[in-house]
Amino acid sequence: NAGVTQTPKFRVLKTGQSMTLLCAQDMNHEYMYWYRQDPGMGLRLIHYSVGEGTTAKGEVPDGYNVSRLKKQNFLLGLESAAPSQTSVYFCASSYSPGPRAANEQFFGPGTRLTVL
Amino acid sequence: GQQLNQSPQSMFIQEGEDVSMNCTSSSIFNTWLWYKQDPGEGPVLLIALYKAGELTSNGRLTAQFGTTRKDSFLNISASIPSDVGIYFCAGQNSGGSNYKLTFGKGTLLTVNP
Repeated sequence: NAGVTQTPKFRVLKTGQSMTLLCAQDMNHEYMYWYRQDPGMGLRLIHYSVGEGTTAKGEVPDGYNVSRLKKQNFLLGLESAAPSQTSVYFCASSYSPGPRAANEQFFGPGTRLTVL
Repeated sequence: GQQLNQSPQSMFIQEGEDVSMNCTSSSIFNTWLWYKQDPGEGPVLLIALYKAGELTSNGRLTAQFGTTRKDSFLNISASIPSDVGIYFCAGQNSGGSNYKLTFGKGTLLTVNP
């Protein structure tokens, strides 16, 4: 199993450009998450999904949109990129049955995004 | 919102030394997780704790779920150079959104060979 994969690994955008980050998991997990990681800020939740076709806002959702059309994929979109969105983005997934397993999130390798 | 205070922020130790770090919360958690992040990689789950007072080991790593349910501790014994990285704690409570984690800001560990 590949686990959680993310594409692309690196990207440079100009202010105002748009892009989509793709996350895929092959563990049949119900829940998926998008985080951003900035120096000194730890991991902050952007959006999450508790199942196919559902999404919800996290701690820092402004400027981002997400879609979960298929259970195994979770897309993060930036419609008009800003320099403040320069960050490392991580996708994670977790399994749902039982409260115990749902808490163990597994992370992808990250996407390093720079907005000029 | 909930906040986790993780300390220390960074540590610089000699190979072979033991390491301790901890997280404290402003509110009760019923799950504590410890992750390690290597440079340029995503966090990897090390240990999960589900019961107050629980003590769990994973090789040279030992983590404990504090009895107050507001803190957790991670110990690394006989450190080696590959222990270098950022260690994150994460907590969760079952009230409401039981699938979201709150993360500490991490402890940066450097091991001098």
